[in-house]
Amino acid sequence: EVQLVETGGGLIRPGGSLRLSCAASGFTVSDNYMNWVRQAPGKGLEWVSVFYSGGSTFYADSVKGRFTMSRDNSKNTVFLQMNSLRAEDTAVYYCARDAITGSYHSFDTWGHGTMVTVSS
Amino acid sequence: DIQMTQSPSSLSASVGDRVTITCRASQSISTYINWYQQRPGKAPKLLIYAASNLQGGVPSRFSGSGSGTDFTLTISSLQPEDFATYYCQQSYSSTHFTFGPGTKVEIK
Repeated sequence: EVQLVETGGGLIRPGGSLRLSCAASGFTVSDNYMNWVRQAPGKGLEWVSVFYSGGSTFYADSVKGRFTMSRDNSKNTVFLQMNSLRAEDTAVYYCARDAITGSYHSFDTWGHGTMVTVSS
Repeated sequence: DIQMTQSPSSLSASVGDRVTITCRASQSISTYINWYQQRPGKAPKLLIYAASNLQGGVPSRFSGSGSGTDFTLTISSLQPEDFATYYCQQSYSSTHFTFGPGTKVEIK
């Protein structure tokens, strides 16, 4: 069964750092593009970052320079290192697999999410 | 960045109704659009990809159409489990995916 499980969320003070993990099963993360998507309480979905199978990474302007996505092939896991956290980063963070059909991308598998709360 | 808008932001409908949700892109995105359903407290679920392709396991009452800048998601006969929030997403820019603000479908 294809599955994603996020861990690492919690309460953190403004300016602090946190690392989220997304462990995959049923497929190989290094063969896929992987994404992080977040959702602030009561708000819509916001795409955060993508890690290409070839190793390139791209970020939303709102997190560029503060967040870094990485991958550990031996653990079949992707990570999101979040630095200089702000109150507006408070959200549920979802990991999602990018299912590529031809040139078309779509997020076909999602984890359950992990909550990050930035507050003093 | 490509901006996505949706209308309406919310709607009330009854079981059995035909429901249409519209999504508009700030520039032409061909058919690079996906639709997701999110029930309260749950992760989003892919319904439609590449504008009109039904994801495996999704009921056939869901359909998508459109190209360029204007797109629609249609539910032909609303079922109780369809009350949820629906999001469009552009995948034309594969380095900066963006979602629409969502449309909440509520019970009338």
